[in-house]
Amino acid sequence: GDQVEQSPSALSLHEGTGSALRCNFTTTMRAVQWFRKNSRGSLINLFYLASGTKENGRLKSAFDSKERYSTLHIRDAQLEDSGTYFCAAEARTGGYKVVFGSGTRLLVSP
Amino acid sequence: EAGVTQSPRYAVLQEGQAVSFWCDPISGHDTLYWYQQPRDQGPQLLVYFRDEAVIDNSQLPSDRFSAVRPKGTNSTLKIQSAKQGDTATYLCASSLGTISNERLFFGHGTKLSVL
Repeated sequence: GDQVEQSPSALSLHEGTGSALRCNFTTTMRAVQWFRKNSRGSLINLFYLASGTKENGRLKSAFDSKERYSTLHIRDAQLEDSGTYFCAAEARTGGYKVVFGSGTRLLVSP
Repeated sequence: EAGVTQSPRYAVLQEGQAVSFWCDPISGHDTLYWYQQPRDQGPQLLVYFRDEAVIDNSQLPSDRFSAVRPKGTNSTLKIQSAKQGDTATYLCASSLGTISNERLFFGHGTKLSVL
């Protein structure tokens, strides 16, 4: 079946630093979305990409369908960035099935 | 624009009891998804609809779970005889369902505890 492998499962950053989250796909995906789970448990859509890169503030995402991966870069991390981040990919074959990665738990400390 | 609305927000059951979850998607969104998210895991697709038609319910435990979307708008997910392993947050999402944009919008979810 369609598989989304997300890494790392957990990440600790100091304020002001940065890092990248990654999702690898075992099959060709049509598009990818990145979500953040907020303090109330709701999934907030950060990016939707069918190709290329998008940037929003301190976040930047890239998606390469051919190479089967997507990344989410966080720079100048702030305490409020702490939370769980998920990627979700839309399979290229059949319907509009969207499958999630297992999530990355980010903790930003002073 | 109103978002995806789900109810109830919380449910606590004894094993063997039944429960229904209700979802009202964003107006005009043709595609509706139900996900199950156990604690500390990613959402796992249960079933999704295009209008009133079920497109994929292969991950729905058919002996106890059922989902309908009779008019292609609101949807109901029902668990007939809950088990402790059903404890999770149940998320509803909707999207326009077009080739060019399948961006998902989620409701707040229903947090289910089965004792």
